Amino acid sequence: VQLQESGPGLVKPSQTLSLTCTVSGGSIRSGSYYWSWIRQPAGKGLEWIGRMYTSGSTNYHPSLESRVTISGDTSKNQISLKLTSVTAADTAVYYCAREDQILNFLDVWGQGTTVIVSS
Amino acid sequence: EIVMTQSPATLSVSPGERATLSCRASQSVSSNLAWYQQKPGQAPRLLIYNASTRATRIPSRFSGSGSGTEFTLTISSLQSEDFAVYYCQQYHNWPPWTFGQGTKVEVK
Repeated sequence: VQLQESGPGLVKPSQTLSLTCTVSGGSIRSGSYYWSWIRQPAGKGLEWIGRMYTSGSTNYHPSLESRVTISGDTSKNQISLKLTSVTAADTAVYYCAREDQILNFLDVWGQGTTVIVSS
Repeated sequence: EIVMTQSPATLSVSPGERATLSCRASQSVSSNLAWYQQKPGQAPRLLIYNASTRATRIPSRFSGSGSGTEFTLTISSLQSEDFAVYYCQQYHNWPPWTFGQGTKVEVK
């Protein structure tokens, strides 16, 4: 399985950040996995944003829950991330990753995509 | 939210030497802990899960131990490719899963 993130590298403050994770080598609706989004501000640590199960159910970080939506497109085998009302604090490298359903470790990661929030 | 604290922030080690990294949880996470390695410009890579189980194709020089609130990642003999940042992550209490702030292993 391979994951590849894509989306605009620059987003204006107050607008919506939209990213896509394309999954190859496996289906987002098969197996026992979560599909997660994690972000990392430059020079800083990792922050879990949220995840979507193969059934389509989702879980979000409490601090971001009011602004984030994760969804799947089975026809394109893609997972999407939408984050509304962005600020400079949302500037980061955004990763998608596969999470084992039972053991919850992240065993497959995309290469990441950088998003800068600036006017 | 469980807070994960890693120490030291930076570890200076000579190639061939042993490196010992620590991770402490603010409350028990049982053995629900993973370690990741991240090199500059790359995504994290899973090294260890369930506190002590090496992931697929991870060399045996990497080992993990601990349970509850105290965990250790040991690299028995550092190779040049091991100089990187290492993160621990708990997956015991959701939401959310949380990571430590990282330990940078640098050349002494």
